[in-house]
Amino acid sequence: DAKTTQPPSMDCAEGRAANLPCNHSTISGNEYVYWYRQIHSQGPQYIIHGLKNNETNEMASLIITEDRKSSTLILPHATLRDTAVYYCIANTGTASKLTFGTGTRLQVTL
Amino acid sequence: NAGVTQTPKFRVLKTGQSMTLLCAQDMNHEYMYWYRQDPGMGLRLIHYSVGEGTTAKGEVPDGYNVSRLKKQNFLLGLESAAPSQTSVYFCASRQTPLGREFHNEQFFGPGTRLTVL
Repeated sequence: DAKTTQPPSMDCAEGRAANLPCNHSTISGNEYVYWYRQIHSQGPQYIIHGLKNNETNEMASLIITEDRKSSTLILPHATLRDTAVYYCIANTGTASKLTFGTGTRLQVTL
Repeated sequence: NAGVTQTPKFRVLKTGQSMTLLCAQDMNHEYMYWYRQDPGMGLRLIHYSVGEGTTAKGEVPDGYNVSRLKKQNFLLGLESAAPSQTSVYFCASRQTPLGREFHNEQFFGPGTRLTVL
């Protein structure tokens, strides 16, 4: 997996959009960007993944820059239940393993 | 579907004792994984399996053994527990990638909290 860099923590007001950045400047052409989150004490949960096009699902949107060196996960209307650690991972998808870093701790506040 | 289940949920061991953690999945997934997570850190891969009867080492395999005798089960064993193995253990599974859209969505269990005194 290519190395990814995320800020250690971020805050967001409830109801506002949460924009979580991730740098992956050494990502290779066949590596996808995956996002997972881990709510306190639970197992990680898959959110979304993308290769080079922007992606959206019921949980979030993923914006990948044209040069693919960075991406942003967007939670459009953050709630208190979105408080979690968010992991950005670069991976080919066919690889057997995922490498989890330390992620970004998102705190959603009233 | 229960998804991925882990037993036990909690366990306290004394140094030198042995135990087995059980992971079960009902999604017919080929790949299964064992991770450990220490306080304030990300997940680290211990061992994994890409199919029944296969196992492979991950990032931190020392002190652990695994077996995958049945497709739906993946067992993690500690032969002689040490305080350094105090951690939360997560099991995960995923389907085999098919077609052009390779997809590395792993499904995680709720975790086993192990304390070694």
